[in-house]
Amino acid sequence: DTEVTQTPKHLVMGMTNKKSLKCEQHMGHRAMYWYKQKAKKPPELMFVYSYEKLSINESVPSRFSPECPNSSLLNLHLHALQPEDSALYLCASARTVRVITGANVLTFGAGSRLTVL
Amino acid sequence: EDKVVQSPLSLVVHEGDTVTLNCSYEVTNFRSLLWYKQEKKAPTFLFMLTSSGIEKKSGRLSSILDKKELFSILNITATQTGDSAVYLCAVDFGGSEKLVFGKGTKLTVNP
Repeated sequence: DTEVTQTPKHLVMGMTNKKSLKCEQHMGHRAMYWYKQKAKKPPELMFVYSYEKLSINESVPSRFSPECPNSSLLNLHLHALQPEDSALYLCASARTVRVITGANVLTFGAGSRLTVL
Repeated sequence: EDKVVQSPLSLVVHEGDTVTLNCSYEVTNFRSLLWYKQEKKAPTFLFMLTSSGIEKKSGRLSSILDKKELFSILNITATQTGDSAVYLCAVDFGGSEKLVFGKGTKLTVNP
């Protein structure tokens, strides 16, 4: 199993809603990432978890709240979002955040396309 | 500031053509460079390059890194319509736990 699975594939929410994006991998990877990608732009890093602990928060607004309940799962809780938060949210995983002999070869999920009305 | 620059940003070719995509970087502590292909959704991994002058090859795709001049190229020979995608270059800077992506090159291969 070499997949990163994201649900839902599509999500439409209002600015007052609370929703969550979910990500799951069973490759034994211990680093998990959330990226945000706007149309025609490269992925932008939001959060990095290493061994279930938050390692990097790229100054993301608090209306985005990540959670890593165990080594296979990564959630992104959404609350009071703005229309400009509409984007493709990509989850990725890697063996670890630091690989001595190489680098971070991220495996990406298919993404959750979020629309905020 | 560390940055990754890809060129061209957009490219339209006909099936059978050969294309070369470029990625240059400015770094404080380079560790490796990665190429990804993104069609509709998830970027899929193509190559990881860490050493200069060693070509990585997979079918019609190949890539090479020049650590002295700080760039990499991705070659695609005998292009097919299925090669149409955005090709992303990302650099792993040592001392950081993240990849920095370039803006990508959008390749369109027409029949």
